[in-house]
Amino acid sequence: AQKVTQAQTEISVVEKEDVTLDCVYETRDTTYYLFWYKQPPSGELVFLIRRNSFDEQNEISGRYSWNFQKSTSSFNFTITASQVVDSAVYFCALSEAGSSTGNQFYFGTGTSLTVIP
Amino acid sequence: DAGITQSPRHKVTETGTPVTLRCHQTENHRYMYWYRQDPGHGLRLIHYSYGVKDTDKGEVSDGYSVSRSKTEDFLLTLESATSSQTSVYFCAISEQQGVGNQPQHFGDGTRLSIL
Repeated sequence: AQKVTQAQTEISVVEKEDVTLDCVYETRDTTYYLFWYKQPPSGELVFLIRRNSFDEQNEISGRYSWNFQKSTSSFNFTITASQVVDSAVYFCALSEAGSSTGNQFYFGTGTSLTVIP
Repeated sequence: DAGITQSPRHKVTETGTPVTLRCHQTENHRYMYWYRQDPGHGLRLIHYSYGVKDTDKGEVSDGYSVSRSKTEDFLLTLESATSSQTSVYFCAISEQQGVGNQPQHFGDGTRLSIL
């Protein structure tokens, strides 16, 4: 079973609209970490945020905000007043409690966001 | 930007030939990873390393082997390339486990085409 599900394959919005990217995860661990990455058309993967399972506070960074809800196993990402530069594929990832052998990441299949000028 | 260099950046080769991809880091991070990215699958872990000569399999390890003889280098080898291994390959690194699982930082990727 998928540990991370990003049900939205592609989203298109008009510039300045708000958009929310959904991420649902599955784990039996009580300690885990959630991440979001951005992959612009140039192809590199850019780390955006890390959140641990004990911190359910929402986080805002400029136009970006993240809503973590353990009750629904979701870690959604909202872009406010979207811009063309936000066009990218966004990946959500889960990492369960680390061991000395490394922390495996489980990635969702990504959501491709297109912001139309 | 994390100091991660993947080489080559692009490669075209024929079925049945051996291929080696290299990941070099200048961050002295303990953990290194190889992923492949395919449409509809996101990123899938092939192998990872938790130290020199310490490696383990990931989700899609069949047909791949790895080696890590130095902290800074992690090699991915396709012993006999098949067309199903056509993909974009990413190397990632992460720091020693400290306060929780650290983010992985990625190289720029290698686009591999097997004809």
